[in-house]
Amino acid sequence: ETGVTQSPTHLIKTRGQQVTLRCSSQSGHNTVSWYQQALGQGPQFIFQYYREEENGRGNFPPRFSGLQFPNYSSELNVNALELDDSALYLCASSLSGGAGEKLFFGSGTQLSVL
Amino acid sequence: AQSVTQLDSQVPVFEEAPVELRCNYSSSVSVYLFWYVQYPNQGLQLLLKYLSGSTLVKGINGFEAEFNKSQTSFHLRKPSVHISDTAEYFCAVSDPNTGFQKLVFGTGTRLLVSP
Repeated sequence: ETGVTQSPTHLIKTRGQQVTLRCSSQSGHNTVSWYQQALGQGPQFIFQYYREEENGRGNFPPRFSGLQFPNYSSELNVNALELDDSALYLCASSLSGGAGEKLFFGSGTQLSVL
Repeated sequence: AQSVTQLDSQVPVFEEAPVELRCNYSSSVSVYLFWYVQYPNQGLQLLLKYLSGSTLVKGINGFEAEFNKSQTSFHLRKPSVHISDTAEYFCAVSDPNTGFQKLVFGTGTRLLVSP
């Protein structure tokens, strides 16, 4: 079985730009979640997609948006980048998104905003 | 709102010694509890989880954790660590009553195992 893959691994953007991060979920998983991990912090939940619909969102502004495609891969879009958006962005997939399920994480995309 | 406190930012230990990584949580509702490990340049990997039943949970790589409701704790233990256990360890909680999987993580504990 293939694991969760994220692209790109590293990205450098300037303030005000827009960015798209991509994630391929593990085979057989229909749920994808995105987390932001700032340096020295634990991951923070951005949102979750289940069967192409957002079904849960954390405390992030609307300029953080996402998509999930019919093959259950996903994108995270961030508009109007700010310096504080610099972080490791982690994608995780699970079988059906239940609260007690095991999450399978990708290795992340390191975003630097200058 | 739920929160997780990992009081120890770093725990140094010698190889083959026992270790305990502390985790306390705050929640007004029942919780599910998790420990994840993050090796350098990798994503997080689930070590173990507590959903219900026996309060002593055994996980992968010889780790175990005990859920203590009165102390609101979920400490992680290993009787004998290896060099390869050097990593960042995250405790997390989720609310069983939500319709989705939202993990609230602590700030992590870096386990440093030396020879």
